[in-house]
Amino acid sequence: GENVEQHPSTLSVQEGDSAVIKCTYSDSASNYFPWYKQELGKRPQLIIDIRSNVGEKKDQRIAVTLNKTAKHFSLHITETQPEDSAVYFCAAPYSGGYNKLIFGAGTRLAVHP
Amino acid sequence: ETGVTQTPRHLVMGMTNKKSLKCEQHLGHNAMYWYKQSAKKPLELMFVYSLEERVENNSVPSRFSPECPNSSHLFLHLHTLQPEDSALYLCASSPQTLNTGELFFGEGSRLTVL
Repeated sequence: GENVEQHPSTLSVQEGDSAVIKCTYSDSASNYFPWYKQELGKRPQLIIDIRSNVGEKKDQRIAVTLNKTAKHFSLHITETQPEDSAVYFCAAPYSGGYNKLIFGAGTRLAVHP
Repeated sequence: ETGVTQTPRHLVMGMTNKKSLKCEQHLGHNAMYWYKQSAKKPLELMFVYSLEERVENNSVPSRFSPECPNSSHLFLHLHTLQPEDSALYLCASSPQTLNTGELFFGEGSRLTVL
């Protein structure tokens, strides 16, 4: 089955710096890689996703890159702001045709003013 | 209210109690899920329902019993739980199950088992 590893577990940056979170997956058949953001006491929410037919996707200050050969994908946040402080989860699908996701353990990002 | 709503938001129960968690989605989605979120552990998928039919039971102990009476409602019945079952239980829905897509989560029910 799928296994997703996420690093680092915590990340502290100064406002305006960039942040990068990396994930690796094990199932070469995986074709969809979402990133969720969970603010303290709130629900996880999808912020960006990428499918295996592209190598990079950007949405304003966030971007995701995918390297299918190496089986890893990364979240990049530029010009970080205090409101970016949250826990970020990567995920990859189980095989089997259903919308089932294996989540990484999460990265707690702290952006200091 | 729109989106995915969960009740209760907080629940404290003893190991011999029986309680239920409720989830309701107002998005017209066909699939609903229960996830368990424990401290310092990944989100763990527990159950998946597609059009009210259970399609996945991820080796969850029988003290957790799901129920999906219709595509808008999902319950998690709890019985004879253990302290290690204390966690945040998140409900989610998605438009369909056969293709990967966005999960819409509720705010969660924080369960404490004494």
